[in-house]
Amino acid sequence: DTAVSQTPKYLVTQMGNDKSIKCEQNLGHDTMYWYKQDSKKFLKIMFSYNNKELIINETVPNRFSPKSPDKAHLNLHINSLELGDSAVYFCASSTAGDHANSYEQYFGPGTRLTVT
Amino acid sequence: AQSVTQLGSHVSVSEGALVLLRCNYSSSVPPYLFWYVQYPNQGLQLLLKYTTGATLVKGINGFEAEFKKSETSFHLTKPSAHMSDAAEYFCAVSLPPMFSGGYNKLIFGAGTRLAVHP
Repeated sequence: DTAVSQTPKYLVTQMGNDKSIKCEQNLGHDTMYWYKQDSKKFLKIMFSYNNKELIINETVPNRFSPKSPDKAHLNLHINSLELGDSAVYFCASSTAGDHANSYEQYFGPGTRLTVT
Repeated sequence: AQSVTQLGSHVSVSEGALVLLRCNYSSSVPPYLFWYVQYPNQGLQLLLKYTTGATLVKGINGFEAEFKKSETSFHLTKPSAHMSDAAEYFCAVSLPPMFSGGYNKLIFGAGTRLAVHP
């Protein structure tokens, strides 16, 4: 069983479209994240949810809207896609709390988004 | 603010040779430090982490790293490279819970691509 899964794996779309990426984890974790990896492999956190509550919201255009229907799912919706949104988007999860193990994040396989 | 610098975007070693991937961090408080590995077309996998205690930490696949506060470094090593070690390696830093409010935000370095040749 895949611990953190994302769909779709590849997404090719045109500028101006709206698209969603879904993420699910079966690890029983309370905290989930979205990261963006650009063409130079640089990884940057976008959002984090703890038990369906938004706890980290980095400087991300408001065209990006995360949504967590339950603590096992964190989806990312992107409106009015732009060329610069092309990247690999990774979902991750971890346990919550202030113990060291909560800092171990488990990553999904990524979604490669290409905007043309 | 915290930051991570990985020296060398590409490192190439021979199979059986020592692997040394360099990571320096900047943090105003004692940090938590991590190394992640990304194989082609896959997500990131945790190799090892330093939180507190012993400064030499051992991880999976024979990798280890040493936290050196005086040098603000957390270099990753492996005594003998294997072809399967070829991947992208990321160093990351985070604030400990008492400083982060429990929000474990990872700040990643730019990554080092390790190539292993026969």
